[in-house]
Amino acid sequence: DAGVIQSPRHEVTEMGQEVTLRCKPISGHDYLFWYRQTMMRGLELLIYFNNNVPIDDSGMPEDRFSAKMPNASFSTLKIQPSEPRDSAVYFCASSLTGFSSYEQYFGPGTRLTVT
Amino acid sequence: SQQGEEDPQALSIQEGENATMNCSYKTSINNLQWYRQNSGRGLVHLILIRSNEREKHSGRLRVTLDTSKKSSSLLITASRAADTASYFCATASRKDTGRRALTFGSGTRLQVQP
Repeated sequence: DAGVIQSPRHEVTEMGQEVTLRCKPISGHDYLFWYRQTMMRGLELLIYFNNNVPIDDSGMPEDRFSAKMPNASFSTLKIQPSEPRDSAVYFCASSLTGFSSYEQYFGPGTRLTVT
Repeated sequence: SQQGEEDPQALSIQEGENATMNCSYKTSINNLQWYRQNSGRGLVHLILIRSNEREKHSGRLRVTLDTSKKSSSLLITASRAADTASYFCATASRKDTGRRALTFGSGTRLQVQP
């Protein structure tokens, strides 16, 4: 399996622009998680889905952030409008329901820089 | 919020030495996991220990869990330069067993000098 795939790997944009991050989970996994990592705040859970349904979005910082999962193999995290404080590495992770389903598999991340 | 707090924040050792990292958490847990993150990469799952377990081994890794102290330790024996990475503990809450989200600690940066 190719693992969790994220695109783009790097994104540089200007303040006010819309940013869309993409994630393809491991085939067959039914949980998908979006995280943000910064030096100041560490690794923060933004939102997670189960069977394409958002379960907990309490970590989404503001209305500027939105996430969708239209099908089992694709999810997006959108920031509109972007701000410099959104600069971070955004990770997508997936896991599978089962006895050991708490193990999460992470993608390589998208490094976002907002200028 | 960060439930797990790792100690030390940074650790530098020589190749061949053992590395010990500690994690403390605040609430009752279902399980605790350790992850490794190489620079510029995503996190990789290393080992999971359940709340009813006290010790677990995997290769050169040894994890202990003390639920009475709400703490865990990760021991890497005979360290190698390739072990250089950041290590994170992550907890799954016992309060809501249906909740699959993990809470990650702040991490320990391990540097193994060749």
